[in-house]
Amino acid sequence: GAVVSQHPSRVICKSGTSVKIECRSLDFQATTMFWYRQFPKQSLMLMATSNEGSKATYEQGVEKDKFLINHASLTLSTLTVTSAHPEDSSFYICSARDMGLTGEAFFGQGTRLTVV
Amino acid sequence: GDSVTQMEGPVTLSEEAFLTINCTYTATGYPSLFWYVQYPGEGLQLLLKATKADDKGSNKGFEATYRKETTSFHLEKGSVQVSDSAVYFCALSDRSNTGKLIFGQGTTLQVKP
Repeated sequence: GAVVSQHPSRVICKSGTSVKIECRSLDFQATTMFWYRQFPKQSLMLMATSNEGSKATYEQGVEKDKFLINHASLTLSTLTVTSAHPEDSSFYICSARDMGLTGEAFFGQGTRLTVV
Repeated sequence: GDSVTQMEGPVTLSEEAFLTINCTYTATGYPSLFWYVQYPGEGLQLLLKATKADDKGSNKGFEATYRKETTSFHLEKGSVQVSDSAVYFCALSDRSNTGKLIFGQGTTLQVKP
């Protein structure tokens, strides 16, 4: 199957700083990428849909100024958590949709963010 | 709106036991249905899928059948192994072609030797 690479896998940052997470589709073009957040022992919550070359579409209740999403190319989307606080600590997962025959979504390995 | 409901976990089984994880859904139209597996500290991997009623998805000994009449997509495996220990998510993708997935809450499976 197609590969989606997410980086970093783990990051610890100080409260008030910003953290950037990258999501790359390695062997296919992804016009659409998705960012999810997963709380401990809970399901994945869709945060936003990222479309190449246009503004991201955020789900209700997600602060767009806090979670900045950029999708500048067909293979890269970034999520920047600005002015991070301890409550932003979570597991963030991206997925990229293969717009080819299958239309299947492939997931990155996730990023464990800890804000101290 | 669309939703997915999974049986609550954790599910604890002995090796070689039979596994069933229930999943039911609510959706308008005819969604595609998926099972994803998440191993500790990792992202999600697609386990199997079904795109229309009566389709059976299968992979690695796991099976699930798309039942429109009962709006269900239960995951089964005849003989689990310790290596199957993971969190399993049922999900649906609507027909709006956005690619969005709606996930159930996940079911933790622990298989003991």
